[in-house]
Amino acid sequence: ILNVEQSPQSLHVQEGDSTNFTCSFPSSNFYALHWYRWETAKSPEALFVMTLNGDEKKKGRISATLNTKEGYSYLYIKGSQPEDSATYLCAFWPGYALNFGKGTSLLVTP
Amino acid sequence: KAGVTQTPRYLIKTRGQQVTLSCSPISGHRSVSWYQQTPGQGLQFLFEYFSETQRNKGNFPGRFSGRQFSNSRSEMNVSTLELGDSALYLCASSPQEGVQETQYFGPGTRLLVL
Repeated sequence: ILNVEQSPQSLHVQEGDSTNFTCSFPSSNFYALHWYRWETAKSPEALFVMTLNGDEKKKGRISATLNTKEGYSYLYIKGSQPEDSATYLCAFWPGYALNFGKGTSLLVTP
Repeated sequence: KAGVTQTPRYLIKTRGQQVTLSCSPISGHRSVSWYQQTPGQGLQFLFEYFSETQRNKGNFPGRFSGRQFSNSRSEMNVSTLELGDSALYLCASSPQEGVQETQYFGPGTRLLVL
């Protein structure tokens, strides 16, 4: 089991705030980094799959960056909305199985 | 397209029993992976099946097993249940195996072992 760390563990922001989370993973043996959003009572939903150092992905107000040399990825949410409230999971793929972090729980209040 | 389905959604068993969980992937998807989530833990990888073959296995005891059928549906079996097996079990499918494949998750089966 490889150590994938996510910070912060939880976050509470006001509607309209921008926020970001961090995912740290082993920098050796890198193949891919996944981000998922998991809303309560729903299934985890894929946001991004990132494979190249320096990758930047964007989906609406959500974007992510990847640094494989130092082993971290950032997820940014611009202008948070209440519907962004969810747990955001990152998962590191070293070539055989996805290793998930424990997630960052985001609560956005109006 | 219909999403990933899992049955049953909820299950209560007692220690020592065995249980079988089922996962039907998205039509056309050939890879199915299983994960366990226990309170306070992240998703833990159990195993992955592709074309009826187990490709990878996580660090779980032999009581946990699975299989995949020719229509890509997968089952997971846990024998001699222990209290610690109480968890949410998620399966995920993808078109192919491989690092760039997005995983499409089902709603999960919540297992309670008494």
